[in-house]
Amino acid sequence: QKEVEQNSGPLSVPEGAIASLNCTYSDRGSQSFFWYRQYSGKSPELIMSIYSNGDKEDGRFTAQLNKASQYVSLLIRDSQPSDSATYLCAVNQKRSSASKIIFGSGTRLSIRP
Amino acid sequence: DGGITQSPKYLFRKEGQNVTLSCEQNLNHDAMYWYRQDPGQGLRLIYYSQIVNDFQKGDIAEGYSVSREKKESFPLTVTSAQKNPTAFYLCASASGTGGAGANVLTFGAGSRLTVL
Repeated sequence: QKEVEQNSGPLSVPEGAIASLNCTYSDRGSQSFFWYRQYSGKSPELIMSIYSNGDKEDGRFTAQLNKASQYVSLLIRDSQPSDSATYLCAVNQKRSSASKIIFGSGTRLSIRP
Repeated sequence: DGGITQSPKYLFRKEGQNVTLSCEQNLNHDAMYWYRQDPGQGLRLIYYSQIVNDFQKGDIAEGYSVSREKKESFPLTVTSAQKNPTAFYLCASASGTGGAGANVLTFGAGSRLTVL
């Protein structure tokens, strides 16, 4: 079992619709959770961070965390062509004094006009 | 401007040679990380460091080495023991303090290594 799992996609969503991206993790001691967006050939950039159970909204993006189910998701409302990218889920596995941050394999999202 | 500088951006290496990738940050971040990314894949953790003179192995440390002699610098050496080193290497740093923004990674632009 991978420590952080994502559906690799591609996920194709029509412009203006809601895109839903999912991620599960195996370490129950994980403390913080992140979604990064990565365009081809570029470095990842932070979209959302979430630290406690529930929903967190920022503009068109909503992150949802359920620690009991070890599940974190990202919703993108009113999807735009510029949202087409790979979305990486990351998890902080606290290790004594160090934070081990690991990533899933990413979900490719394609927004079709 | 604060940020992370990785060099070189592109590097070609012959088989059997060691190569060192540079990573420097001026964000005053405590933690630094090295990741490897292969085409169409996610990021895999090579090494990470929370404080000077201390670092931990990640999930794919074999064939790599690091040092953390200064807070600002975390160079990665790809040794000849790494069987398939051709990849995109990303360095990142993060604030280790608690609260909002804790452990948010800031990435460098990456170094693309090709073994000939």
